[in-house]
Amino acid sequence: AQKVTQAQTEISVVEKEDVTLDCVYETRDTTYYLFWYKQPPSGELVFLIRRNSFDEQNEISGRYSWNFQKSTSSFNFTITASQVVDSAVYFCALSDPLDTGRRALTFGSGTRLQVQP
Amino acid sequence: NAGVTQTPKFQVLKTGQSMTLQCAQDMNHEYMSWYRQDPGMGLRLIHYSVGAGITDQGEVPNGYNVSRSTTEDFPLRLLSAAPSQTSVYFCASSYSDKGWRSEKLFFGSGTQLSVL
Repeated sequence: AQKVTQAQTEISVVEKEDVTLDCVYETRDTTYYLFWYKQPPSGELVFLIRRNSFDEQNEISGRYSWNFQKSTSSFNFTITASQVVDSAVYFCALSDPLDTGRRALTFGSGTRLQVQP
Repeated sequence: NAGVTQTPKFQVLKTGQSMTLQCAQDMNHEYMSWYRQDPGMGLRLIHYSVGAGITDQGEVPNGYNVSRSTTEDFPLRLLSAAPSQTSVYFCASSYSDKGWRSEKLFFGSGTQLSVL
């Protein structure tokens, strides 16, 4: 079954705290792609990162970092020194299997992050 | 650089009314899709298209129609609106070649639809 689980529905932190958003996935594909999107209060969806399944290097972009572990089927997202502007809903997504013929992403239910000043 | 443009941003309908959500992209993307976002459920695929004249169903297609007469436009039609279709709708597009699975989606700004 194709599934993305974001078990944390809502997280609240105080500014400058570090926070990790969890993403666990299930897929029958051996090659797949994982994504993170951000949805700020204004409502648009903003692409953050893409990761393919054969590249397990962690990635850092400024205060953002991603930890991909194929052995545990997880693709976690960490924000270091959080800021109020990080307040948003964050979605993890997984590319659909090749044999479905359907070109789409399966999204998790999202994690709402509130960063308090 | 407009990207993906959705209209309207907000809409209120009565049960049984029909309407069309418009979506246009200016990036010459072959792939376009419609998702709906409901609380606690993430985004779910309604319909998608891999090119002009080609459409297919997604996860939740019932009650919706689509067509793709041009590369740029991919309207979503609600035939007879129901309260269960109250949701936020997003149109998305991406490149579509043999590496399509790695392509990120470009999203429109969304349409908030309420059906009374």
